[in-house]
Amino acid sequence: GQQLNQSPQSMFIQEGEDVSMNCTSSSIFNTWLWYKQDPGEGPVLLIALYKAGELTSNGRLTAQFGITRKDSFLNISASIPSDVGIYFCAGLGDLYNNNDMRFGAGTRLTVKP
Amino acid sequence: EPEVTQTPSHQVTQMGQEVILRCVPISNHLYFYWYRQILGQKVEFLVSFYNNEISEKSEIFDDQFSVERPDGSNFTLKIRSTKLEDSAMYFCASSVAGGRTEAFFGQGTRLTVV
Repeated sequence: GQQLNQSPQSMFIQEGEDVSMNCTSSSIFNTWLWYKQDPGEGPVLLIALYKAGELTSNGRLTAQFGITRKDSFLNISASIPSDVGIYFCAGLGDLYNNNDMRFGAGTRLTVKP
Repeated sequence: EPEVTQTPSHQVTQMGQEVILRCVPISNHLYFYWYRQILGQKVEFLVSFYNNEISEKSEIFDDQFSVERPDGSNFTLKIRSTKLEDSAMYFCASSVAGGRTEAFFGQGTRLTVV
């Protein structure tokens, strides 16, 4: 099946710093999604990307769908303590062939006040 | 705001027993999913369900697992003869459509097999 490589695995940053994480795949995805998971909770959708090259923002979050459709990045600007959690990228395949969503291994973010 | 709800939040079961995990998807959604997350690991796709039948399943979803939509609101995952390695968080998700539309997740059921 399609595999996603997400990096970095973990980040330790100071409050106020910017953060960048990315996902790559050997396969093409038609949709890229970024989720955040707090301990003991389900993943919560942050940003959805539908078109190659698309750049989308949601507050301090910005994500881009790579031109090749095989990668995506998520940036968080001016991090705050509540940004702590695990961030997952997820890829969705073709509408007619693939209804499952594949997740990256996650980036664990720690923000020091 | 509509949300996916899952019950129970925690389930402890003895090895070899059967468990049923329950989900109520968002009401106007048509695609339903189950995912599994072993502690500290990534979220893994199990199965997608549309129009009262399985549309896709992963290699994890073997004969031990089954899904059902017994009525117009519930979506269940049954695990027969549970094994220790079935211990995980199980997440239900739903989406308006398949493929290109984002899925919304429930809070999960933590299953512990002892």
